[in-house]
Amino acid sequence: ETGVTQTPRHLVMGMTNKKSLKCEQHLGHNAMYWYKQSAKKPLELMFVYSLEERVENNSVPSRFSPECPNSSHLFLHLHTLQPEDSALYLCASSQETGNTIYFGEGSWLTVV
Amino acid sequence: GNSVTQMEGPVTLSEEAFLTINCTYTATGYPSLFWYVQYPGEGLQLLLKATKADDKGSNKGFEATYRKETTSFHLEKGSVQVSDSAVYFCALGSGSAGGTSYGKLTFGQGTILTVHP
Repeated sequence: ETGVTQTPRHLVMGMTNKKSLKCEQHLGHNAMYWYKQSAKKPLELMFVYSLEERVENNSVPSRFSPECPNSSHLFLHLHTLQPEDSALYLCASSQETGNTIYFGEGSWLTVV
Repeated sequence: GNSVTQMEGPVTLSEEAFLTINCTYTATGYPSLFWYVQYPGEGLQLLLKATKADDKGSNKGFEATYRKETTSFHLEKGSVQVSDSAVYFCALGSGSAGGTSYGKLTFGQGTILTVHP
């Protein structure tokens, strides 16, 4: 059983919808991450939160909006997405000073 | 910058065959090295890791040795099973040695392994 839980596991949304992906970690970690995995492309780091502050935003379009209310929870708010945003979105966490990153099972997003 | 190069796939083997998936890296400093596995329809799971030169990571019959002289971290298993069919990712972590207070992973492109009975 993973210590990083993501919901929903599958989401289908229209281009005008607003939805959110949720991630919760039970490992006592202080850093959390969003990664995007698209078909035939390398894993892309989207956002990093360390001690609840966003420390990295890798040129992600503003239609993706992360939120980290506390060290255990991370959200990815989705608004007016495009079909090319369809992908597997992976949440992960690590200790602040460590570099072993643990992933959740991912949320499969389909934009129609 | 950091980079990871993995053996091109897909790799197709018969059950009980020997597996090698090559991984080489370029990095500054002293990175940690990881293998992650992704089973069909699932997220990434940490398979094994090594944090310094000559360390050997092992788990579930898989092994990889951190070779600084050849900048490699090849994944091996002596006898694969059908249940090992998955995508395998080699990754390099700069961690706090990279000047940040959190881990940063650089991934290879992934290698698809299919094992037939």
